[in-house]
Amino acid sequence: GENVEQHPSTLSVQEGDSAVIKCTYSDSASNYFPWYKQELGKGPQLIIDIRSNVGEKKDQRIAVTLNKTAKHFSLHITETQPEDSAVYFCAAVYSGGYQKVTFGIGTKLQVIP
Amino acid sequence: GAVVSQHPSRVICKSGTSVKIECRSLDFQATTMFWYRQFPKQSLMLMATSNEGSKATYEQGVEKDKFLINHASLTLSTLTVTSAHPEDSSFYICSAKSFLDPNTEAFFGQGTRLTVV
Repeated sequence: GENVEQHPSTLSVQEGDSAVIKCTYSDSASNYFPWYKQELGKGPQLIIDIRSNVGEKKDQRIAVTLNKTAKHFSLHITETQPEDSAVYFCAAVYSGGYQKVTFGIGTKLQVIP
Repeated sequence: GAVVSQHPSRVICKSGTSVKIECRSLDFQATTMFWYRQFPKQSLMLMATSNEGSKATYEQGVEKDKFLINHASLTLSTLTVTSAHPEDSSFYICSAKSFLDPNTEAFFGQGTRLTVV
């Protein structure tokens, strides 16, 4: 089955700096890569996603890059703000079957004011 | 985006009792719902996948007789934790997806914090 590795597990940045979270996946059949933000005691919220036919996608301060050959994908947050503090999960979705979502271990991001 | 409502958000029950958690898709038909369990400071682990009108598919290591899943309609799935024990205390999260449009994402509920005492 699919295996998603994510690092770092914790990340502290100063407000205004950039944050980068990296993930790798194992199953070349995966073709959809969402990123989720989870605040304490809440369910995950989709913040950005990318499909395997695209190399990069940007939405305001958030961008995601995908290297299919290397099976790497990354989340970039620029101009970080305290409200960006949360746990971020990357995920890979297998294109067959019921499109099971395999999550990374999560990255706890702390933005220091 | 679409809305998935999960109820209750928190529940405390006595050891040995059963607890039912509901997951509703409010503005779309959820042909498939997924149930996850998340322990503190850990990732979401898929427990089972349920399709409307058919039996759920459980992940390896998940007891189907302990975690009963029902998906009787396109807008509602329930997870019943039977004979709950303290080790079942966890954060349970559902997500829902419509395969009527396979390019749509799965939407997550807000989670249910179960504490078994």
